[in-house]
Order: sequence, then C-alpha cells, then structure tokens
Amino acid sequence: DVKVTQSSRYLVKRTGEKVFLECVQDMDHENMFWYRQDPGLGLRLIYFSYDVKMKEKGDIPEGYSVSREKKERFSLILESASTNQTSMYLCASSPMDILWEPQHFGDGTRLSIL
Amino acid sequence: AQTVTQSQPEMSVQEAETVTLSCTYDTSESDYYLFWYKQPPSRQMILVIRQEAYKQQNATENRFSVNFQKAAKSFSLKISDSQLGDAAMYFCAYRSLSVSGYALNFGKGTSLLVTP
Repeated sequence: DVKVTQSSRYLVKRTGEKVFLECVQDMDHENMFWYRQDPGLGLRLIYFSYDVKMKEKGDIPEGYSVSREKKERFSLILESASTNQTSMYLCASSPMDILWEPQHFGDGTRLSIL
Repeated sequence: AQTVTQSQPEMSVQEAETVTLSCTYDTSESDYYLFWYKQPPSRQMILVIRQEAYKQQNATENRFSVNFQKAAKSFSLKISDSQLGDAAMYFCAYRSLSVSGYALNFGKGTSLLVTP
C-alpha cells in the first residue's frame, strides 16, 4: 500500500513564525501536492511538484512556498504565519504516467496560528 | 480551471437505505477522470470509486456505483444498503489530462449522516 506520511497531526504556531509542514511518500511517485481544506470550501491546491526541484503554483499559493530536494519529500513552508492560515493541510502523491491511479493522501495536519 | 459543484452540503440516510450524492462539473475537454473520495472523522481521504470519461459503462465498487452522464457533465454517487460506517464527507474530484501534474479539482463536499 502507498504510504503518505505527514510529520505532524496537530501543530500550533504563533503569528509571524516560519512554519514547515513535511510530507514523505514511499512509492516513488513523481507528483506531490499540497492542499488546504476549509469547511465549506473543499480542498484547494496550494502547490504541486512533478519532479525534484520542480514546482508549480496551484490556486492559492500566496503566503506559501514549497521545497522538493528529494523525490520522496515535499515540504510546505509558511514564510510568516498569519491567523488566516489556520486550516487543515493535506499532502498527496501520485505517479506521473498512470493517469488511472488516484492521488494518495496523508492524514492531514491541523495547523492553528495564534 | 474546471469547476466541480456538489449542490448538497448535507445529506441524511437511514441505515440499509439508498442515497445518491450529486456532482456536476464544467469542462470543455473530452477525456478526463472523475473520482469520489470519502473522508471520515479520522481525516484520511479514501478513494471510493473512479470513472474514465471515455468509458460509457458506469463504474461499480460493491455497494457504491456512479451514474455518469457525460453530455450532462454529471457524476453522481449512489450508496446502496447504507451502513453507519458510510458516515463521512464525500468529495467529487475532476482530473484534467491537459495540465501538468494532473492535479485534482475538488467540489466543496457533501456531509453524509447515517441514522440507525
């Protein structure tokens, strides 16, 4: 089974802090994604990566950056956390060339910015 | 970007009954994939069922089936013989084949309550 692991299930940080959310997958997938989930808004794509050191903006990239130095690891960075970034963050991965294959998700990180 | 609409924020069904969750999408593409995901309180996103647009036959997975109407751009999920464990948020998702990474566009979700 594909395993996508997010480093923290719950995280509390303060306004202005630099926050790192880590995600690791064990299936050698090329594609990795970060989504933000808010009640009534569904999942919205922040950033994705289709290869090491490659990244593309999603629908809501403002206030976020990402890093992918190794194929299995995709980090989401909040450069200066703000209260409106309090949310659930979901990481996902999928193979590049198997379009039938769904995205596999981690358990999510519930982030609170105080 | 393609828009996915789930018009039912909440639905309720009695155990052993059947419920249908609706999903419509907006696209000009002829080939794409559609997915239904389930998210129980544990938060894990679980794939329920998937459909390739070029296949006319509706997908079925045990008690879960879809009614895929390509011309109407509709992709509803039917849950038969509902069980308490089916209670969850359900998300419909669209995968375009024309964008890099093949990211998913999600609907806003439908919260399904299953009553004994």
